[in-house]
Amino acid sequence: GQSLEQPSEVTAVEGAIVQINCTYQTSGFYGLSWYQQHDGGAPTFLSYNALDGLEETGRFSSFLSRSDSYGYLLLQELQMKDSASYFCAPMRGSTLGRLYFGRGTQLTVWP
Amino acid sequence: SQTIHQWPATLVQPVGSPLSLECTVEGTSNPNLYWYRQAAGRGLQLLFYSVGIGQISSEVPQNLSASRPQDRQFILSSKKLLLSDSGFYLCAWSPERALNTGELFFGEGSRLTVL
Repeated sequence: GQSLEQPSEVTAVEGAIVQINCTYQTSGFYGLSWYQQHDGGAPTFLSYNALDGLEETGRFSSFLSRSDSYGYLLLQELQMKDSASYFCAPMRGSTLGRLYFGRGTQLTVWP
Repeated sequence: SQTIHQWPATLVQPVGSPLSLECTVEGTSNPNLYWYRQAAGRGLQLLFYSVGIGQISSEVPQNLSASRPQDRQFILSSKKLLLSDSGFYLCAWSPERALNTGELFFGEGSRLTVL
């Protein structure tokens, strides 16, 4: 089975740093992906963590703690274009390749 | 480079009518293919998953079916639509040997309204 928790909404101003948390309960957990989706658009891949620690990709970083069943996406130097929904999606070892998304976090960046 | 196409982009269908959404991937062979549905303001729900021609795994029991008649073609169908079938349908693919990368490539989606 699986349960997933993310904040439903987060707001921040341009230039700020925001952290979007994800707590999961996933049997046979293998890794955690993050996706961004703008209104009306398709989700796009941001990052993936299979091991504990921080993965950095430009302004975005993702962190995973397998022992705490917890991860977060860190967005730095926020820009207006970062306003979007962000989804964490755990993957199970028994069903590799299949991602199970939560309801996502709506990020609004204000000028 | 690889591309994914979905059509139609939008459609409005009456309750009880049939449905066919099509997805094709170009520039790769034997991709893993997925159908997701996103209800308004909700997350993405995995509907079907395919690792090869004729191989379909259904994730949730429902009014929909999927088929993969060719290597890079994935079709979502229904014989009789329900109001609850309304939503944003997204096709996605991942490379054959990249099941553990957590990366899916999504099409632009098909927005279905059932009236």
